[in-house]
Amino acid sequence: DVKVTQSSRYLVKRTGEKVFLECVQDMDHENMFWYRQDPGLGLRLIYFSYDVKMKEKGDIPEGYSVSREKKERFSLILESASTNQTSMYLCASSSQPSGSGANVLTFGAGSRLTVL
Amino acid sequence: GQNIDQPTEMTATEGAIVQINCTYQTSGFNGLFWYQQHAGEAPTFLSYNVLDGLEEKGRFSSFLSRSKGYSYLLLKELQMKDSASYLCAVRDSNYQLIWGAGTKLIIKP
Repeated sequence: DVKVTQSSRYLVKRTGEKVFLECVQDMDHENMFWYRQDPGLGLRLIYFSYDVKMKEKGDIPEGYSVSREKKERFSLILESASTNQTSMYLCASSSQPSGSGANVLTFGAGSRLTVL
Repeated sequence: GQNIDQPTEMTATEGAIVQINCTYQTSGFNGLFWYQQHAGEAPTFLSYNVLDGLEEKGRFSSFLSRSKGYSYLLLKELQMKDSASYLCAVRDSNYQLIWGAGTKLIIKP
């Protein structure tokens, strides 16, 4: 069964702390994505990566950075967490080039982050 | 700007049929997706439409009209396990996904 695994389901952090959210996929997918999901809003893309050591900004990259040192792992970093970063964070991966066919995303179960 | 509209919440009865609508205004169109998300779980892929018409997959069907900027997801023979949020997403001219806020479907016995 193909999987995207997010290491932490629930995290509580203090304002100003550095936060790491880890995501690992076992499908040998080239493309990986980080989204945040907030009530009443559609998924918003934070960062994505089409290859190892490659990263591209999404719609809301401010306050976030990412790392992709290995094909299977894509990490989201909050350098200094703030209360407005309290959210559900979803990692996803896909295999096909973005313009090709359905290019279905496989999502992880999410990491719910609360910043106090 | 780009916009995807879908109802916030719908209620239906077990065994019945429900239609969840999605209208979109995007810069270009390269396909429309429906995902299902149970509470506390990952979204999972349901359907993909790139041409006008109806795509049927078991109890679920998805329809697209590109000229009207409109899609719907049709769920037949509703089961309690269909209680979930249904997310509509459109891939725009830059091949980026634009997501609706999701429709929470409540199934009652």
